[in-house]
Amino acid sequence: DGGITQSPKYLFRKEGQNVTLSCEQNLNHDAMYWYRQDPGQGLRLIYYSQIVNDFQKGDIAEGYSVSREKKESFPLTVTSAQKNPTAFYLCASSIIGNEQFFGPGTRLTVL
Amino acid sequence: QKEVEQNSGPLSVPEGAIASLNCTYSDRVSQSFFWYRQYSGKSPELIMSIYSNGDKEDGRFTAQLNKASQYVSLLIRDSQPSDSATYLCAVTSGTYKYIFGTGTRLKVLA
Repeated sequence: DGGITQSPKYLFRKEGQNVTLSCEQNLNHDAMYWYRQDPGQGLRLIYYSQIVNDFQKGDIAEGYSVSREKKESFPLTVTSAQKNPTAFYLCASSIIGNEQFFGPGTRLTVL
Repeated sequence: QKEVEQNSGPLSVPEGAIASLNCTYSDRVSQSFFWYRQYSGKSPELIMSIYSNGDKEDGRFTAQLNKASQYVSLLIRDSQPSDSATYLCAVTSGTYKYIFGTGTRLKVLA
């Protein structure tokens, strides 16, 4: 069954802590994306990657970091520099220029 | 700043009626257009993609694209209570980026 998985489903972060959100896809897509969604708002792009070992900042990259060491994996680290990280985080992948498919999301809460 | 605009709603329609959702975009060179459905607390689910002017039908859903006027719409025929959700419009910006609207909340009244 092809798809995108994200883990964990829920994540709690203490002040000053870095946390890493996992995203894996077996769709053989080259492009992968991370979005943040706040209540009642649209999706805002954090980072995207077109190919292994390459990624670009999106509109709200400050306080986040990513890596793309494998085609299937695009983990997102929320660092302590991100002052307001409570949000719903969505990972997506696509064939470049075509439909994006989304994972189930990770809901991050700061304690 | 490239933008995608949607009426936030809620758009309320009776069960069995046609729901019409609209979206305008600012980037004239956008090539690909998508509609997603998002239930509360869930991730977006692709409903339709459209790449050329005109209509594209898939079951109860019809997407309409007019590049000259820079709008894309989604019609849902025979609306059901299960269609109640937020509908997101997305367009490509350049080769790799996608711009999303803030969504229209649809309520189908039984």
